[in-house]
Amino acid sequence: QAVVTQEPSLTVSPGGTVTLTCGPSTGTVTSGHNPYWFQQKPGQAPRTLIYDTSNKHSWTPARFSGSLLGGKAALTLSGAQPEDEAEYYCLLSYSGVVVFGGGTKLTVL
Amino acid sequence: QLQLQESGPGLVKSSETMSLTCIVSGGSISSNSHYWGWIRQPPGKGLQWIGSIYYSGDTYYNPSLKSRVTISVDTSKNQFSLKLSSVTAADTAVYYCATTRGQLYMLAPFSWGQGTLVTVSS
Repeated sequence: QAVVTQEPSLTVSPGGTVTLTCGPSTGTVTSGHNPYWFQQKPGQAPRTLIYDTSNKHSWTPARFSGSLLGGKAALTLSGAQPEDEAEYYCLLSYSGVVVFGGGTKLTVL
Repeated sequence: QLQLQESGPGLVKSSETMSLTCIVSGGSISSNSHYWGWIRQPPGKGLQWIGSIYYSGDTYYNPSLKSRVTISVDTSKNQFSLKLSSVTAADTAVYYCATTRGQLYMLAPFSWGQGTLVTVSS
């Protein structure tokens, strides 16, 4: 089964920009993997942030965007806010299975 | 808007079979192209997809758990269920039920339940 890798932790300054990435242990991410991004805050269920590479959920703030970058799925946060501090998980789809990345703990400091 | 609520015992003994149910409201579990799935999260760790089911009964399982997992659907009660056999302490986790966005063959969770903690005791 594929292993999906994310940065374990990242730090961004308030108002700053940060990019989180997501990729399989071998190969590259394509639109065919239909990358998803989820945000999870402590004690809460995950919430879908981005689906199918770059589409936003109805609640997703405009400062979040999804893309493919350098063979990986990418989540860019432009203009970080304190409330964006959370764990972020990506998910890639394969034939008959889906695989979560290990998560990135994002600190806004 | 679809809402999902997990229910089931919060404590299970080691080597036994745990069972959880997800009650769906705000829509029909027989909705075309929606898949219904389970995801878990051990304390302090990441998310793991367990498996998904279509209302017709077609199932998709995580290969690493497939030998112990059964997911079923009850369209008359608008709910679906998870059974995990031979549980150990490693199965202690928050279990989430979820549904997809509604695209055929897409298993990615889109709407999530609030989760329920299941602890395996020895």
